Amino acid sequence: DAMVIQNPRYQVTQFGKPVTLSCSQTLNHNVMYWYQQKSSQAPKLLFHYYDKDFNNEADTPDNFQSRRPNTSFCFLDIRSPGLGDAAMYLCATSRGLAGGTAYEQYFGPGTRLTVT
Amino acid sequence: RKEVEQDPGPFNVPEGATVAFNCTYSNSASQSFFWYRQDCRKEPKLLMSVYSSGNEDGRFTAQLNRASQYISLLIRDSKLSDSATYLCVVDNTDKLIFGTGTRLQVFP
Repeated sequence: DAMVIQNPRYQVTQFGKPVTLSCSQTLNHNVMYWYQQKSSQAPKLLFHYYDKDFNNEADTPDNFQSRRPNTSFCFLDIRSPGLGDAAMYLCATSRGLAGGTAYEQYFGPGTRLTVT
Repeated sequence: RKEVEQDPGPFNVPEGATVAFNCTYSNSASQSFFWYRQDCRKEPKLLMSVYSSGNEDGRFTAQLNRASQYISLLIRDSKLSDSATYLCVVDNTDKLIFGTGTRLQVFP
C-alpha cells in the first residue's frame, strides 16, 4: 500500500561523513521533491526532478546533491554533513504541472537525520 | 513579506468546538491551494484542496478569497484526533510553498 517510501527512517552519521537517503514511489509520478524540515519550521524545498530535469533551489547548499536514476527512485546525498544539517528529510511526489500550476504532493514518512 | 503566512497558534479548544484558521499568501498569480495536516514527527498529509467556490469534506470546510489573498479552514465538532499542525500550502509556478503551520490542540 505504501506509495512513497523512504529509507532509512532514522539515520545517524558523524560530522563530515557522507550519507545517502533514498526515496521510492509506486505512484508513477513525474515529479519528485526533497525537503528539509526542522522543528517548528515549514518544509524547505531543496530541489526537485521533473522527469529527468533537475531543478535546484537557489539557496540549497552545494553540500546537498541528488540523483534520480529512474522514475521510481530518487536519492539525496549529503557530502559532508554538519551539525546544522540535522533535520527531517522528506521526499514528495506529484503528477506534475497543469497549465503551469502545481498539483498536490504526496509525502513519504521522512528520514530523521542525526549528526554527531 | 512571507509568501505564506499563518498564525502559529497554538489554538487550544475543547472537544466539540468549532475552530477556524486563516492563511494569507503574497503571490496573486497562485492557482492551487491546499491544506495539509502534520502530526508531531510525521510527514505532512493532504487534508484537502481548496477550490474557488469553497469546498467541504465532512467536518472540514475550506474557503478561498482571491481578492484578499487568503484561505481559511474551518473545523466543526472538533475531535481529540484533530490535534495536529495544519499547514497552508500555495503553489508558485512549479512548486508548492508551505506555511509554518497552525498548531491545534483539542482537549477533553
